Amino acid sequence: GQNIDQPTEMTATEGAIVQINCTYQTSGFNGLFWYQQHAGEAPTFLSYNVLDGLEEKGRFSSFLSRSKGYSYLLLKELQMKDSASYLCAVRSGGATNKLIFGTGTLLAVQP
Amino acid sequence: GAGVSQSPSNKVTEKGKDVELRCDPISGHTALYWYRQSLGQGLEFLIYFQGNSAPDKSGLPSDRFSAERTGGSVSTLTIQRTQQEDSAVYLCASSLAPSRQGRGNTIYFGEGSWLTVV
Repeated sequence: GQNIDQPTEMTATEGAIVQINCTYQTSGFNGLFWYQQHAGEAPTFLSYNVLDGLEEKGRFSSFLSRSKGYSYLLLKELQMKDSASYLCAVRSGGATNKLIFGTGTLLAVQP
Repeated sequence: GAGVSQSPSNKVTEKGKDVELRCDPISGHTALYWYRQSLGQGLEFLIYFQGNSAPDKSGLPSDRFSAERTGGSVSTLTIQRTQQEDSAVYLCASSLAPSRQGRGNTIYFGEGSWLTVV
């Protein structure tokens, strides 16, 4: 089966660092994605990991451990505009490359 | 076009009517996905098209739902005899053909079609 778990909600303070965790159990693996989604808008791509390790892109970093079925998204120097849902998604690979999403983590950044 | 285009952006329909939702992917993208997102929920996979391969329809919730992709580009999602539980945002996404060399690793979403069944 396919299972992707993320915390439902998180709260953090402006200027701080927050880590959003994602664990997954999927039949096959061909990459893990993080998306940001503001209320009422489409998801926008943040990061992609297919090999173990850390990928850094400005204030956002994403980490993957395939052996542990674990990823995290790290947001630094939080800004109020970072308040959004953060979606973890795994591409299953093999004969199909469908992207399976977790339910998302709603992050609230407070002043 | 520059991005994934979906139409209509909003649709209100009566229970029992059929609806068609259209997706025009980014030019050159061979992979196309349909997802459904209910209010406050995650994205539910519906169907995936890749080039000329048989689509992965494993996410379609019932036989009232169908999708086709003509000419490897535009896709239409059809919902027959709509029910109130079909009310959701229907999101389309596209990418290059996924590969381990890194192609297709950015999947772009359209703005969605907001469907309300009354």
